[in-house]
Order: sequence, then structure tokens, then C-alpha cells
Amino acid sequence: EPEVTQTPSHQVTQMGQEVILRCVPISNHLYFYWYRQILGQKVEFLVSFYNNEISEKSEIFDDQFSVERPDGSNFTLKIRSTKLEDSAMYFCASSTDTYEQYFGPGTRLTVT
Amino acid sequence: AQSVTQPDIHITVSEGASLELRCNYSYGATPYLFWYVQSPGQGLQLLLKYFSGDTLVQGIKGFEAEFKRSQSSFNLRKPSVHWSDAAEYFCAVGAQEYGNKLVFGAGTILRVKS
Repeated sequence: EPEVTQTPSHQVTQMGQEVILRCVPISNHLYFYWYRQILGQKVEFLVSFYNNEISEKSEIFDDQFSVERPDGSNFTLKIRSTKLEDSAMYFCASSTDTYEQYFGPGTRLTVT
Repeated sequence: AQSVTQPDIHITVSEGASLELRCNYSYGATPYLFWYVQSPGQGLQLLLKYFSGDTLVQGIKGFEAEFKRSQSSFNLRKPSVHWSDAAEYFCAVGAQEYGNKLVFGAGTILRVKS
């Protein structure tokens, strides 16, 4: 069964460093998403991406964040200058339409 | 603002007992409703979904959920719980009027006693 994959599973970085989280969505999906879950809190929407552009973003997704689909298979989330409060589990998701979203296993980002 | 409430943070049931996990939503639109399950170290797996039609929907692993518009609820049920069902369960809601993001509840951790 096709699945969304994410790398790395765990990333530790120092405050102020740039990180790139990588995702490979399901191959025939057209919509891509990033969510995050701070420990003990709800899963929160960050951004959605369709047709090579951002279709929606939340207030969390400020200028420090960017997304890219550099080739036909990868979907990345970049945080330019990480802060302590960026520590969270980041989930990538993809869908063929806008609602039935399939999630990856997540990347746990720890900012020290 | 849209919101999803899962009032139970933890639930413990005995293996073989029935289960009901509660979910209430507040939306100013016709919602699309989902239940996801997350096992430790795993991603969010879609259990079932409701878009329209029959308000009782069947999902994977023997789960079902019932949409009750009058109560703004979408409770998840299983008639007989197995030890492997121990996990965290998330209710999520989307609506066309609010774009394509999902809004999640806080989750309910299910423990199964043998």
C-alpha cells in the first residue's frame, strides 16, 4: 500500500540553524500539507501546497518557514532560523482531493 | 472559529469490552469528519471518514462512527476492543468554506487492560 514517507525521523539542531524536513508524498497525490504537533498539544495545520504554490497557510507559517517541491517526488519544509519553540513533531500529508489526507510518520525536531 | 473537542484525555477499557470515544465540533459550515489513530512512533492512520450520506460510517479495524448533526458529534465506536487498539485517537474536521486544512481535537489516549 502506498504511503507517505518522511526523513529524518529525528532531527536535533541548535537554535538559529536552518533545517530542512523532507517528505515523499504518495505518487498520484496532488495536494501536500505540513502539520506540526508540539508535545502535549494538538496537531496544527501549517501550510498546504497545490500546483506548485502555497494554497493556504496558518498564522504559524511566518517568514521563517518555506516549502518547496524541488522535483517530482519530494516536498520539503524549511525553517530558516530555528527557535526553541519550533521543537515539535512535524507531519507531512498528501491527498488526491482536498480532504482525505494521508499522513507520514513524522519528523521529531528538537531545537537546543 | 472552528473547534474540535475530545472531552476524554484518557480512557481505559478491558479487552473485549465496547468502546466509545467522543468528538464534538463547532463549525459554521457543513463539515467533513475524520478519525485518525496514532500508535507510538507511528504516523496518523486514517480510520474512517464522513462526507455525506449515511450517517453511520464503517472504517478499518472494526471501527465505526456516527455523525449526529443535531448534537454536532462524531463519536467513534468499537463493539469489542483488542489489546492492539491501544493508541491515541484523533478526531479531525474540515470544511470547504474554511479551505483545505484539517482542524484536530486534542486526542484521546486509549489504554486496554488484559
